[in-house]
Amino acid sequence: KAGVTQTPRYLIKTRGQQVTLSCSPISGHRSVSWYQQTPGQGLQFLFEYFSETQRNKGNFPGRFSGRQFSNSRSEMNVSTLELGDSALYLCASSLFAGGGNEQFFGPGTRLTVL
Amino acid sequence: SQELEQSPQSLIVQEGKNLTINCTSSKTLYGLYWYKQKYGEGLIFLMMLQKGGEEKSHEKITAKLDEKKQQSSLHITASQPSHAGIYLCGAEGGGSNYKLTFGKGTLLTVNP
Repeated sequence: KAGVTQTPRYLIKTRGQQVTLSCSPISGHRSVSWYQQTPGQGLQFLFEYFSETQRNKGNFPGRFSGRQFSNSRSEMNVSTLELGDSALYLCASSLFAGGGNEQFFGPGTRLTVL
Repeated sequence: SQELEQSPQSLIVQEGKNLTINCTSSKTLYGLYWYKQKYGEGLIFLMMLQKGGEEKSHEKITAKLDEKKQQSSLHITASQPSHAGIYLCGAEGGGSNYKLTFGKGTLLTVNP
């Protein structure tokens, strides 16, 4: 079974631009979560989607948004990029939403904002 | 909000040695996950613990969740260079808040 895939793997943008990242969960998984990882803050939860609905949201500004499609694939969008948005963005998939579900992570998208 | 503290922050061991990494929570742990990460890459799922006193093993790695469910430990027996990486513990918030909160990680170096 193929793992979680994320595209693109690397991205370079300039301040003020917007970016869209994509995540394809493991086949059959219906929940997708997004995380931001930086050296200073570590791994921080962005949001979780299940059945095309956002179920949980972390403490990030409204510039960060996401959505999930009917095939469970998810995208996250960051508008008006800032230097501090440079990070590794990870998505994780699990069978269902809710506790006790093993979450499997993708390889991440490395975003650099210049 | 829940906070996870991992210790030590970094660890250098000689190949063949045993080691333990700890993860202590400020609140009761409802679901505790251990992951391994190579620098700049995705997280590799190792184990999930839910019940107090639970212990799971996979190959040379054993993870335990204490009875009070506020601390977990990860033990590696006879370490190998392939065990090197960053070990992260993550915890669910409980109730309907099942997003994962992560510790800062433990950097493990295994010298041959």
